[in-house]
Amino acid sequence: EVQLVESGGGLVQPGGSLRLSCAASGFTFSSYSMNWVRQAPGKGLEWVSYISSSSSTIYYADSVKGRFTISRDNAKNSLYLQMNSLRAEDTAVYYCARDNWKVEQQLVNWFDPWGQGTLVTVSS
Amino acid sequence: SSELTQDPAVSVALGQTVRITCQGDSLRSYYASWYQQKPGQAPVLVIYGKNNRPSGIPDRFSGSSSGNTASLTITGAQAEDEADYYCNSRDSSGNHLYVFGTGTKVTVL
Repeated sequence: EVQLVESGGGLVQPGGSLRLSCAASGFTFSSYSMNWVRQAPGKGLEWVSYISSSSSTIYYADSVKGRFTISRDNAKNSLYLQMNSLRAEDTAVYYCARDNWKVEQQLVNWFDPWGQGTLVTVSS
Repeated sequence: SSELTQDPAVSVALGQTVRITCQGDSLRSYYASWYQQKPGQAPVLVIYGKNNRPSGIPDRFSGSSSGNTASLTITGAQAEDEADYYCNSRDSSGNHLYVFGTGTKVTVL
């Protein structure tokens, strides 16, 4: 079964740090790019970061650039998100999601599967 | 950055058809994917590309695209289809890699 399991969420004070992990199983992790997506309480989905299969290409949303670092360990089938200088507005459920793509007249990307999410709460 | 705009909420009678739209400049260059999210659960992929359904997704879900608009249609809506739906695509503005739609709450009456 293809599965993603996040961990590492919790309560952290503003300005603090947290490291999220995402354990992958059931597929060849090293062949896929991966993403982090978050959802603030009662709000919509927000793409956070992307990392290619070899870690050679990385992207961040403007809202986290310079504060968050995405990384992966293909030997451990794991994805990470190091979050520094956390703010109240970073409070959200963080999901990891596998990146998939193909071309059918136009490029299409899709996120599947998703993990169950891990809650990060930034509060004093 | 580019935006994908969705109607905040739509309602549909049980067994009827509902169309959810997603508008944005990015959709002129990239196909959308669609996600269903029920309360307290992770999003689930329901449609990607021109009109592709993952295994396990009922064939009452279909997708289409024209110009800057992508659409998700539920034909014969069921009670279990009540959920939030989000579109997503690459971001053509170059600022971000991906952008999500604002989300549509579908209520089945």
